Amino acid sequence: NAGVMQNPRHLVRRRGQEARLRCSPMKGHSHVYWYRQLPEEGLKFMVYLQKENIIDESGMPKERFSAEFPKEGPSILRIQQVVRGDSAAYFCASSTIHQQGGGETQYFGPGTRLLVL
Amino acid sequence: GQQVMQIPQYQHVQEGEDFTTYCNSSTTLSNIQWYKQRPGGHPVFLIQLVKSGEVKKQKRLTFQFGEAKKNSSLHITATQTTDVGTYFCLRGTGNQFYFGTGTSLTVIP
Repeated sequence: NAGVMQNPRHLVRRRGQEARLRCSPMKGHSHVYWYRQLPEEGLKFMVYLQKENIIDESGMPKERFSAEFPKEGPSILRIQQVVRGDSAAYFCASSTIHQQGGGETQYFGPGTRLLVL
Repeated sequence: GQQVMQIPQYQHVQEGEDFTTYCNSSTTLSNIQWYKQRPGGHPVFLIQLVKSGEVKKQKRLTFQFGEAKKNSSLHITATQTTDVGTYFCLRGTGNQFYFGTGTSLTVIP
């Protein structure tokens, strides 16, 4: 049973370009979460998605960032017109169930390290 | 607010010494989870605590949930170099999740 997969593992972009980060959840998992980890900092919740639905995006910047989890294929985190401050590790996690207030185990992917030049 | 405070932020110990990290919340938690992140790695689930006063053990690791369900601790007995990493607690509220600020553990051989 493959774990959560993320690609690319490393991504270099110049300011103003677009970054597309992909996440394939574990088999049988229909809940996906994206987190951002700035250098030397903790993980910050960005967005929670189910298939074809954004459930909670309260942690995601209002501009330039978007996420989707289509019926087929991986979840995508898209960052448009990247700036240097977007440089960070972006982790996705998946779970089999979701409970209000937590309680489900989240399995994390290896992350995508984004570097904006 | 929703932030979960962790102390200490950094801890350096000699191999064989014990280590403890604490998570504190201003509000009552329905449950709390603990994760470990090795340098350059990704968070890995360790344990979940649900009940007031709950204590769980995993080999040299002991996890506790406070009676008031507002704080939790992770204690490692006789640290080893393989324990190096950052330990995070995680709380959920509604559909959102909040990681603690993390405690970075360095073990000196």
